[in-house]
Amino acid sequence: IAGITQAPTSQILAAGRRMTLRCTQDMRHNAMYWYRQDLGLGLRLIHYSNTAGTTGKGEVPDGYSVSRANTDDFPLTLASAVPSQTSVYFCASDSFTEAFFGQGTRLTVV
Amino acid sequence: KNEVEQSPQNLTAQEGEFITINCSYSVGISALHWLQQHPGGGIVSLFMLSSGKKKHGRLIATINIQEKHSSLHITASHPRDSAVYICAVGDYGGSQGNLIFGKGTKLSVKP
Repeated sequence: IAGITQAPTSQILAAGRRMTLRCTQDMRHNAMYWYRQDLGLGLRLIHYSNTAGTTGKGEVPDGYSVSRANTDDFPLTLASAVPSQTSVYFCASDSFTEAFFGQGTRLTVV
Repeated sequence: KNEVEQSPQNLTAQEGEFITINCSYSVGISALHWLQQHPGGGIVSLFMLSSGKKKHGRLIATINIQEKHSSLHITASHPRDSAVYICAVGDYGGSQGNLIFGKGTKLSVKP
């Protein structure tokens, strides 16, 4: 089934630890995004990639890094997690006609 | 001021009612998305619009580019329509990372 797969679906992480959220799509979309969703703030863009090999910063990039080694995968890394990074993270891609979202990763940093 | 404003923030309806959710934006856009998010669930794209009107089942989305306004209508609403509906606008002329989201409208349809 075509779509976006995120892993893990949820995680409790100790502050200071490194964590990579995985995102894979099988639709060959060039554009991929990482968003965080927080109560009262809606969805905010962390990083994006227009095509394999390129990435860009979104609205809230601090504390996060991404890579885009190929078209299908777009991992998001928290180098040293802090409690303010507790959120629900969504990976997305689009084709200029429709946007697709993963099921989300609920991350709690304690 | 938010660049994407949705109204109402919360909406409660009886099953069978006609529902309208509004979205106004203040930036130039190439396209507007309507998204649906069920409680604890993922996000599903309902429509992507650049002009006019689109219909899918009981859902209708319209956009007026000149007035910078879009509406999402649900006809014959059903309890399974209960969800948060999110409007997002994008400018695909430049970076594709320019989606700006509204805060969402929480819809509850009572049987």
